[in-house]
Amino acid sequence: DVKVTQSSRYLVKRTGEKVFLECVQDMDHENMFWYRQDPGLGLRLIYFSYDVKMKEKGDIPEGYSVSREKKERFSLILESASTNQTSMYLCASSPGGPGVTEAFFGQGTRLTVV
Amino acid sequence: AQSVTQLDSQVPVFEEAPVELRCNYSSSVSVYLFWYVQYPNQGLQLLLKYLSGSTLVKGINGFEAEFNKSQTSFHLRKPSVHISDTAEYFCAVTRTGANNLFFGTGTRLTVIP
Repeated sequence: DVKVTQSSRYLVKRTGEKVFLECVQDMDHENMFWYRQDPGLGLRLIYFSYDVKMKEKGDIPEGYSVSREKKERFSLILESASTNQTSMYLCASSPGGPGVTEAFFGQGTRLTVV
Repeated sequence: AQSVTQLDSQVPVFEEAPVELRCNYSSSVSVYLFWYVQYPNQGLQLLLKYLSGSTLVKGINGFEAEFNKSQTSFHLRKPSVHISDTAEYFCAVTRTGANNLFFGTGTRLTVIP
């Protein structure tokens, strides 16, 4: 089975802190994604990566950055956390090739910024 | 760019009744379509997907969906729901060959005993 593991289920951080959310997948997938999930807004794409060191902005990249130094790991970075970044963050991966034919999700990290 | 509209934010239905969750997408090009389910405090699990071929797609847990290109819809159906189907359901779309995936706002299905 494909496994996508997010390092924390719950996280509480203070305003202004630098926050790292880590995601690891074990299926050698080329594509990895970070989404933010908020009630009534569904999942919104923050960033995605289609290869090591490659990244593209999604719909809401402001306030976030990402890092993909190794194929299996995709990190989301909040440079200076703010209360409006309190949310559920979901990581996903999918095989490479022409297009996304299926995405596999982690369990999510619920981040609270106080 | 692709987008997805899930018209119903909440759908209550009695146990053993049929249900349809609606999804419309906007894209002028060929697309792949997906339905995912999310149980409380969990990640998303794939229910079914349309990539090509038959427009009627069968998934897990008795769900099915029909791809309708002329109406740009991909509605999810189940003939008889169970209490365990209570969850949030997300429709998603990607342009064929693109490396991203866009989701709708979700439909919360509540099955009433």
